[in-house]
Formats: sequence, C-alpha cells, structure tokens
Amino acid sequence: AQSVAQPEDQVNVAEGNPLTVKCTYSVSGNPYLFWYVQYPNRGLQFLLKYITGDNLVKGSYGFEAEFNKSQTSFHLKKPSALVSDSALYFCAVSPRGSASKIIFGSGTRLSIRP
Amino acid sequence: DVKVTQSSRYLVKRTGEKVFLECVQDMDHENMFWYRQDPGLGLRLIYFSYDVKMKEKGDIPEGYSVSREKKERFSLILESASTNQTSMYLCASSFRGGGTEAFFGQGTRLTVV
Repeated sequence: AQSVAQPEDQVNVAEGNPLTVKCTYSVSGNPYLFWYVQYPNRGLQFLLKYITGDNLVKGSYGFEAEFNKSQTSFHLKKPSALVSDSALYFCAVSPRGSASKIIFGSGTRLSIRP
Repeated sequence: DVKVTQSSRYLVKRTGEKVFLECVQDMDHENMFWYRQDPGLGLRLIYFSYDVKMKEKGDIPEGYSVSREKKERFSLILESASTNQTSMYLCASSFRGGGTEAFFGQGTRLTVV
C-alpha cells in the first residue's frame, strides 16, 4: 500500500537553531514529493515540491527539503528557526501516473521556543 | 491568487441528516479533492475528481458521495450523518498533470450530534 510516514508527532527547537522535520514514503516508482504547512485556524499552504533534478529543493519562508532516493526520504529543513515557524507540517506524495492523487502523512507539530 | 472557497466554516448537524459541503475554485483547475483531517491521522482522501462528472474513491469513501456537475464546484455529501463523521473537512484543487501542487480551502469543521 502507498503511504507516507512522519515519525515525529512533535518537534521542539529553540529559536535560531536548525530544524529538521522527517518524512519517509512507500510509493512505487518516482513520486512527486511535497511539503505543506498549516497555521492555526487556516487551510494548508504549499511550501515546496520535488519533481526531478537537484536533491535539495528550496521553498517558501527559507525552508528547504532534501530528497534521498535510496532512503525514500524527503526531510524538511531550515538553517535557523523562527518562532513564527511554529505550525503543523505535512509531507505528501503524488504517484506518477495517478491522475494527480495526493497522499498525506499524519503531520508533525513544530514548536519553536524563544 | 488562487481561491478555494468552502461554503461553511462551522456546521452542526444531527445524526441521520443528509449533509452537503460545497467547494468552489476560481482557477479553472481540473482536479478537485475532499479530505478529512483528524488529529494524529493527518489528511485522509475521501474522493477526488479529475474532470466534470468524473470521480474516484479515495481511502475512506464509505458513508460519503460526491458530485461534480460544473468544473469549478465539487460537493461532498454525507448521505446519513453519523457521529464518527465529526471532523474537519478540507477541499483542494489543482491542475491536472504530474507534480502540480494543490490549493486548499479554509476547511469546514463539522460536528454531528
């Protein structure tokens, strides 16, 4: 079965420190990979995506993600966390040839302390 | 900006009622999706549609149906609401084709009592 795993329910980081939010997937072929963010009482917003090419993808708000094919991972990173980064983050995959079906992980709550 | 609009932010319905959740997008997207979001479970796909009158079941279609009579509108129907359908419902849309990101509405928090 196709699935996306976010192994950490919550990640706590001090402001100014680097952050990583982990994501692994189990999807055949070479899926498209996404990260979305959800701020309180708001809908999901697109952050970044991996289609092909460079394994390091840059996105909005200073976030980047590293694709690792051998480990089937797509971890979200930021060099220096801000308190305003505190939110719920979702990893998602879209299998190629799937009429754009998108499968989401369970989400990771990121908490940045001042 | 892309706009995906869900008709209600909050709804309270009684068990057994037929419930309609409406979603409209203004970007001429071919794909539209309905997800439900529950704590610890993330977003689970209920149904998606890749064209007018076309639909495919997602992971949890039981107890739901959908309608897409016009390209911009995608309706989710709870045939007979039950308390286990209390949840946050999110509508999304995207262009057809690989690797296109989805745009989400604000969500409808449905409570079934």
